[in-house]
Amino acid sequence: GAVVSQHPSRVICKSGTSVKIECRSLDFQATTMFWYRQFPKKSLMLMATSNEGSKATYEQGVEKDKFLINHASLTLSTLTVTSAHPEDSSFYICSAPPGGRVYGYTFGSGTRLTVV
Amino acid sequence: GENVEQHPSTLSVQEGDSAVIKCTYSDSASNYFPWYKQELGKRPQLIIDIRSNVGEKKDQRIAVTLNKTAKHFSLHITETQPEDSAVYFCAPSLYGNKLVFGAGTILRVKS
Repeated sequence: GAVVSQHPSRVICKSGTSVKIECRSLDFQATTMFWYRQFPKKSLMLMATSNEGSKATYEQGVEKDKFLINHASLTLSTLTVTSAHPEDSSFYICSAPPGGRVYGYTFGSGTRLTVV
Repeated sequence: GENVEQHPSTLSVQEGDSAVIKCTYSDSASNYFPWYKQELGKRPQLIIDIRSNVGEKKDQRIAVTLNKTAKHFSLHITETQPEDSAVYFCAPSLYGNKLVFGAGTILRVKS
């Protein structure tokens, strides 16, 4: 079945540094990728939608300059958390929508970000 | 945009009993109604879904029922087992568009 590989699975960084999270579609082309954030004991909240070859679409309240999203190719989407602060500590997860032979939504395995 | 409400927020059942979780949505354009199970620190796992042209779907102990007129759909788990303990999310959408997740239901199955 369809697989989205997400890396890293866990990262600890210092306040003020940047962290890049990658999501790769391994056996299909993902022209769109949804990026979600999930705080402990909360639901998944959509942050932005990346589209290959165009600018990402951000949800209301999400700072586009802080959460840089790039969809470099049909198989790679990245989220960079810039100037990270402890309040950015969260579980970040990507999801590719259905398309072509892929039924349903394919989720990455998630990235646990801890900012110290 | 889609407004999703999910109830109850927590549900405790005895092993072997049934569990029902309800999801209400607002966007009449939604045509895809999935239920996800999420264990701590893991990705959401699709357990069952239904499209808008069907009223009910069953897969062994799990079923989903849809009432498009009333804009709600429900997850039914029968003969619950301890391994069913997890957080469950509904996420109605227009198929292919973004999923809008409910707040989640913590299901505890007591043995």
